[in-house]
Amino acid sequence: DTAVSQTPKYLVTQMGNDKSIKCEQNLGHDTMYWYKQDSKKFLKIMFSYNNKELIINETVPNRFSPKSPDKAHLNLHINSLELGDSAVYFCASSQGGALSYEQYFGPGTRLTVT
Amino acid sequence: KNEVEQSPQNLTAQEGEFITINCSYSVGISALHWLQQHPGGGIVSLFMLSSGKKKHGRLIATINIQEKHSSLHITASHPRDSAVYICAVGLNNDMRFGAGTRLTVKP
Repeated sequence: DTAVSQTPKYLVTQMGNDKSIKCEQNLGHDTMYWYKQDSKKFLKIMFSYNNKELIINETVPNRFSPKSPDKAHLNLHINSLELGDSAVYFCASSQGGALSYEQYFGPGTRLTVT
Repeated sequence: KNEVEQSPQNLTAQEGEFITINCSYSVGISALHWLQQHPGGGIVSLFMLSSGKKKHGRLIATINIQEKHSSLHITASHPRDSAVYICAVGLNNDMRFGAGTRLTVKP
């Protein structure tokens, strides 16, 4: 059973398009996250979310928006894609928040914007 | 200067060697995480520490809160340990990552 799954695994799209990446966890965790790993393999947190609170990293453009239909899902919507959005995006979940709990990562989605 | 510094950046070892990867941070934290990123790209959490020492199999992680320093040790290293090891510190809802240490273990 996959604990944290993401779809799609690869996404190739053109500048200006709007796209979504889906994330689901079956661990019963309360908190989910989105991370971006750039071409230099540097990871950055984008969002953390539980059913009460969305925390947005201030460096994330407002073209990025997380949507959570329920506790097990946190999807990432990206509007007006730019070349610089090309990266690998990881979803993760944890039992609690405040980044004080072990994180479980999805397999990643490689986004390429042409 | 990154708030989380790892050393070394790259490390090559022979199978069986004892490995140490270091992480220093300059911010207050609620927890420190050691992550492993496989060559295929997947990320696995190895340890989450807020004090002291933890051990899983051949892996040991320690943290010194006063010195703002953590180490990850691998005993009896094996080629399957080849990966990038990433240190990350968490405080409230922010997480800062080190640049990673690329470990290659040769048979």
